[in-house]
Amino acid sequence: GAGVSQSPSNKVTEKGKDVELRCDPISGHTALYWYRQSLGQGLEFLIYFQGNSAPDKSGLPSDRFSAERTGGSVSTLTIQRTQQEDSAVYLCASSRQGAGYGYTFGSGTRLTVV
Amino acid sequence: QQQVKQSPQSLIVQKGGIPIINCAYENTAFDYFPWYQQFPGKGPALLIAIRPDVSEKKEGRFTISFNKSAKQFSLHIMDSQPGDSATYFCAASSGDYKLSFGAGTTVTVRA
Repeated sequence: GAGVSQSPSNKVTEKGKDVELRCDPISGHTALYWYRQSLGQGLEFLIYFQGNSAPDKSGLPSDRFSAERTGGSVSTLTIQRTQQEDSAVYLCASSRQGAGYGYTFGSGTRLTVV
Repeated sequence: QQQVKQSPQSLIVQKGGIPIINCAYENTAFDYFPWYQQFPGKGPALLIAIRPDVSEKKEGRFTISFNKSAKQFSLHIMDSQPGDSATYFCAASSGDYKLSFGAGTTVTVRA
């Protein structure tokens, strides 16, 4: 597609429920990244996929967070047993080969845990 | 810990003024330094980027100054306009690895 597409754009969930966030990167982009942006804060790295290599999961804050990328394209970020501190905007970005080519970000999913 | 330190947290200028945002880093392996602009409700968008082999880069009204020895770089917005009001993030990466972002600066340009 023309840009990075994320869905849903907004998600309200009850504490303890599981949520799935989807990212559709730009076609042909081999690198895909997930970041988290809390209100008024910077961008916190979560996970990085590059081609067929093992993902860099070093930024995932707990084992409640997981992500996968199927067929080198669409990615899903899953948060199990959501907590109120998980409330944030989750941003996905893709890049042609890696960070040195610049990221294109999606508009994000705003997650609110009540 | 934050690998890229950004300041100030916010700033307000009059139309036509020159907001300046500063960033500092410690990792000498960083070799790519982009700036991103973010409007409310949108994802950050790449604005301008520099590599350490040059000391300055201009694109339109946006200028990056880079000081390799001091491990600092800055963004200047010339002749700022109200439409430039946004949050700006500096970032850095080593090779094609992931970007590390600064905490962001909210710029307000008053008409």
